[in-house]
Amino acid sequence: EAQVTQNPRYLITVTGKKLTVTCSQNMNHEYMSWYRQDPGLGLRQIYYSMNVEVTDKGDVPEGYKVSRKEKRNFPLILESPSPNQTSLYFCASSLSRGSVNEQFFGPGTRLTVL
Amino acid sequence: GNSVTQMEGPVTLSEEAFLTINCTYTATGYPSLFWYVQYPGEGLQLLLKATKADDKGSNKGFEATYRKETTSFHLEKGSVQVSDSAVYFCALRTPPGGTSYGKLTFGQGTILTVHP
Repeated sequence: EAQVTQNPRYLITVTGKKLTVTCSQNMNHEYMSWYRQDPGLGLRQIYYSMNVEVTDKGDVPEGYKVSRKEKRNFPLILESPSPNQTSLYFCASSLSRGSVNEQFFGPGTRLTVL
Repeated sequence: GNSVTQMEGPVTLSEEAFLTINCTYTATGYPSLFWYVQYPGEGLQLLLKATKADDKGSNKGFEATYRKETTSFHLEKGSVQVSDSAVYFCALRTPPGGTSYGKLTFGQGTILTVHP
């Protein structure tokens, strides 16, 4: 089954404790993105990757890091989480950057930073 | 930059009522337009899309027409069901010609609740 998986689905942590949210897709997609969803703001792109070892900032990259060492994986790293990073996070992938076909979204990770 | 504006929600309807969720956009060039749906506790799923002016996207009884002259992509359904209760997002994909090529820009989302 074609899918994007994220782990963990729920996470409660404390300020400053480094964490990683994993994302994996099994569709051989080149383009992957991370979004955060906040009430009244829709989804905002954090980082994206056009292919292995190619990543770039989205609209709200501050406080986040990503890596793309393998095509299927695109982890999101919070080196020193803060309460304003409490949010719902989605990973997404599509065939290529310019593909007008759908982006496939993961199920989301709800992060709470105390 | 590009932007998408959706009608303020939430929207509450009775079953079999007519649904319209307004969406307007600002973009240079000819973006592709999308509606995504998010059911409770799930990720976003593509509902429908349109890639050029006057295209009509349709799926599951929902429709939206790409109106270049009014920069709009309003979502409609003639008769909603309880199972349509979800959050609906309008989005555009930046066309080729810049560093943001391929990027999805989302509206703020509209919560739809349908009562029996």
